[in-house]
Amino acid sequence: GESVGLHLPTLSVQEGDNSIINCAYSNSASDYFIWYKQESGKGPQFIIDIRSNMDKRQGQRVTVLLNKTVKHLSLQIAATQPGDSAVYFCAENNFGNQFYFGTGTSLTVIP
Amino acid sequence: ETGVTQTPRHLVMGMTNKKSLKCEQHLGHNAMYWYKQSAKKPLELMFVYNFKEQTENNSVPSRFSPECPNSSHLFLHLHTLQPEDSALYLCASSQGAGRIQETQYFGPGTRLLVL
Repeated sequence: GESVGLHLPTLSVQEGDNSIINCAYSNSASDYFIWYKQESGKGPQFIIDIRSNMDKRQGQRVTVLLNKTVKHLSLQIAATQPGDSAVYFCAENNFGNQFYFGTGTSLTVIP
Repeated sequence: ETGVTQTPRHLVMGMTNKKSLKCEQHLGHNAMYWYKQSAKKPLELMFVYNFKEQTENNSVPSRFSPECPNSSHLFLHLHTLQPEDSALYLCASSQGAGRIQETQYFGPGTRLLVL
């Protein structure tokens, strides 16, 4: 079966520092990945996605890196702000309409 | 945030009650989804509807009954639930039309507590 997991369940960073959140996946056939942010009391919010024909994609203050060799995905947040405090999780897809989600990493930004 | 709305936001029900969760999307999408989110567990897909037709049922117990009257509305009817059904129930939508690997947009969820 699918296995999407995160290396660390919690992460604390100082405001202004960069954050790196990691995700491992087990299905080498997965070719589409999404990072979601979920704040307390809210539903998951799309942050950025990447397809397997790319190894890096940048958004506003966020960068997603994909390493297909080791089946690893990371989300980098530049200049982390208090509003970035949330649970972040990745989702993978392999040609179907079903995504497999990780359990999430809780990011806490220390002012 | 207002693209997908869910009501109620919070629900407490007894095991003999019957209640319904409602989801509405304002994005012009054709596919809608129900997910269950339990503490410290990954999101679990429950049902998928594409153009009002159910295309996925991930072995969900019959005490959960979905209904999709049109592409904009999705319901989850609940009856004789168990305490372990307490969770956050999330609705999502995507473009649909047979496309695969579409980004799904989520509603805020309904926090359900079964006593």
